[in-house]
Amino acid sequence: GAGVSQSPSNKVTEKGKDVELRCDPISGHTALYWYRQRLGQGLEFLIYFQGNSAPDKSGLPSDRFSAERTGESVSTLTIQRTQQEDSAVYLCASSPLAGVSNEQFFGPGTRLTVL
Amino acid sequence: GQNIDQPTEMTATEGAIVQINCTYQTSGFNGLFWYQQHAGEAPTFLSYNVLDGLEEKGRFSSFLSRSKGYSYLLLKELQMKDSASYLCAPYSGAGSYQLTFGKGTKLSVIP
Repeated sequence: GAGVSQSPSNKVTEKGKDVELRCDPISGHTALYWYRQRLGQGLEFLIYFQGNSAPDKSGLPSDRFSAERTGESVSTLTIQRTQQEDSAVYLCASSPLAGVSNEQFFGPGTRLTVL
Repeated sequence: GQNIDQPTEMTATEGAIVQINCTYQTSGFNGLFWYQQHAGEAPTFLSYNVLDGLEEKGRFSSFLSRSKGYSYLLLKELQMKDSASYLCAPYSGAGSYQLTFGKGTKLSVIP
């Protein structure tokens, strides 16, 4: 079956531009997560969506970052006025239902390069 | 807060056994995940431990000691394709159910 998909796979942008990254979770998965992984670093939690509940935005590094999700479908992560330190792989993950066993299924990621 | 410690890199020989350790200090604990991440790819699920002890799954086993805040991943009969980063991720089981990932252990399997 289809896994988590993300687009674009690669994005090169100039400093100061806005970018929008897309995530299509596995159908039926109510929980959706965004992570950032800088080169050689671990995964850094950004934001979490669970159904129609208010998202957990505690990991967003600045107000330039925002994300939306409509219901249990597609999510978009927007970075405004990009900076070079935003260069990273942005990973999206979904899970069936946040709970005791929270196995997360990851997408292939979007590699963002800010020049 | 969260604090996760894993070795940065390890090297082992094809056919051998390797143990990757992880110690953690978390505010709340429900279980611990191990993920495998090949270079340039997304992490994939390996194991999830809730109870103390060793859980075996083929060539891979994972151990957990909740009282010690310690886990390890044991890889047997190493194959070249096992060269990857291995991520330890404690799970608080509360709030947003987010996983907190360690920086990962990069394992290189050599002939």
